[in-house]
Amino acid sequence: AQKITQTQPGMFVQEKEAVTLDCTYDTSDPSYGLFWYKQPSSGEMIFLIYQGSYDQQNATEGRYSLNFQKARKSANLVISASQLGDSAMYFCAMREGPGNQFYFGTGTSLTVIP
Amino acid sequence: KAGVTQTPRYLIKTRGQQVTLSCSPISGHRSVSWYQQTPGQGLQFLFEYFSETQRNKGNFPGRFSGRQFSNSRSEMNVSTLELGDSALYLCASSLRQGRGETQYFGPGTRLLVL
Repeated sequence: AQKITQTQPGMFVQEKEAVTLDCTYDTSDPSYGLFWYKQPSSGEMIFLIYQGSYDQQNATEGRYSLNFQKARKSANLVISASQLGDSAMYFCAMREGPGNQFYFGTGTSLTVIP
Repeated sequence: KAGVTQTPRYLIKTRGQQVTLSCSPISGHRSVSWYQQTPGQGLQFLFEYFSETQRNKGNFPGRFSGRQFSNSRSEMNVSTLELGDSALYLCASSLRQGRGETQYFGPGTRLLVL
């Protein structure tokens, strides 16, 4: 089974609108971390946001927030007030406790339309 | 703090040759991971080093090897290059903080095998 599933290969959003990028994960480990990364066309992976499995509140970082639904094993990224510079690939990732490898999803290509 | 650096940024090799890529992690980070990214296979984990020891290994042939030095700098070597090794090779370093451990990526090395 895939550890990380991103079902949206491509998404479009109007500038200044909010958008949700889906991510589901599979693990039986009670301790894990969830991550979102942005990869612009330049290729560099940029860390956006982190959510720990024991965190009670959803993580937020500026315009990024993570909608964490533990029972559903879902960790969706919400980008508010989209900007043209948000156009990029977005990857969801998970690490099952320290010392274990990171698993990445296949990514979602987001295009922001002016 | 300086970010993760990778050298060289671009590389062209021919089949059968070998190549060595270098990664310098963020100061203080002891974990270094390597990934291969291709349009067809996406982001695939190669291996992770922690304090000069390989901690995790992905599903790649033995032609792919790595090492980490006492200053946490890491090298990745690919011997007997094949056309399919053409890819973006990303290095990431991480530091455990509290219950979280975030990976920070370098700009990558684009390898083209002719």
